[in-house]
Amino acid sequence: GAVVSQHPSWVICKSGTSVKIECRSLDFQATTMFWYRQFPKQSLMLMATSNEGSKATYEQGVEKDKFLINHASLTLSTLTVTSAHPEDSSFYICSAMKGLQPQHFGDGTRLSIL
Amino acid sequence: GENVEQHPSTLSVQEGDSAVIKCTYSDSASNYFPWYKQELGKRPQLIIDIRSNVGEKKDQRIAVTLNKTAKHFSLHITETQPEDSAVYFCAASISQGGSEKLVFGKGMKLTVNP
Repeated sequence: GAVVSQHPSWVICKSGTSVKIECRSLDFQATTMFWYRQFPKQSLMLMATSNEGSKATYEQGVEKDKFLINHASLTLSTLTVTSAHPEDSSFYICSAMKGLQPQHFGDGTRLSIL
Repeated sequence: GENVEQHPSTLSVQEGDSAVIKCTYSDSASNYFPWYKQELGKRPQLIIDIRSNVGEKKDQRIAVTLNKTAKHFSLHITETQPEDSAVYFCAASISQGGSEKLVFGKGMKLTVNP
C-alpha cells in the first residue's frame, strides 16, 4: 500500500519552456502532498506543502509564480515550472500523506533545461 | 525554524559490522522522527520512524533511539549487508495546519564493503 506515482521521470527541454510534473497517490487519498527539490549529493529541500482544494504554502525563498502548484483532488497534485532556465535543472520529488501517516515519496523527476 | 543536523556524512563499514547514524534537532516541539533510505536515483523509502512518546523502536536489524531531553536521535543498523549501502536521511517533523512538515538532515552515505 501507499504507492505514489510521479510522472514524467525524466524531462529535457529548452530554456523558456514550461514543464508540468504530476504526482498521484494510487491507493490512498492524500490529505497533503509535498514538493521537494534535491540537488546532486544533497538533501531534500521542501519547496511547498499542498492541501487539496486550497492554495499551496511555499517555503521561504521559493517563487510562487515560478513554481505553480495545483492540488485539484485528493489523489493528484501538479507542479509546473514556468519559463524554466538551466538553474532550474534538478531532481524534483513529491510525497503524499494521509492524516498523520508517514510521507511516501514518488520516484522523482529529473529535469534538465538546455 | 527547525534545524536538523546529521553526522557523519559518510561511513564505510565491513559487511557484518554495525553502523550508527546520529541526528540532532533544534525545535523541542518536534514529535515525529522518520528515517529514509535513498539509493542512487531512486525515491527515499521510509525504513523506520519513532514518535516522541517512546524512546526506542526496533525492526529486525534496524533500531532507532530518541532522547528528547538532549534533542537527538540515532539509527542503528546491525549485521550490515552490501544492500544496506545507500544514503540515509533523518528528519524531524513540525505540525503545520493539521499535517506534518519534515525537515531533513543532510544525509549520510553508507558503504558496506563485502
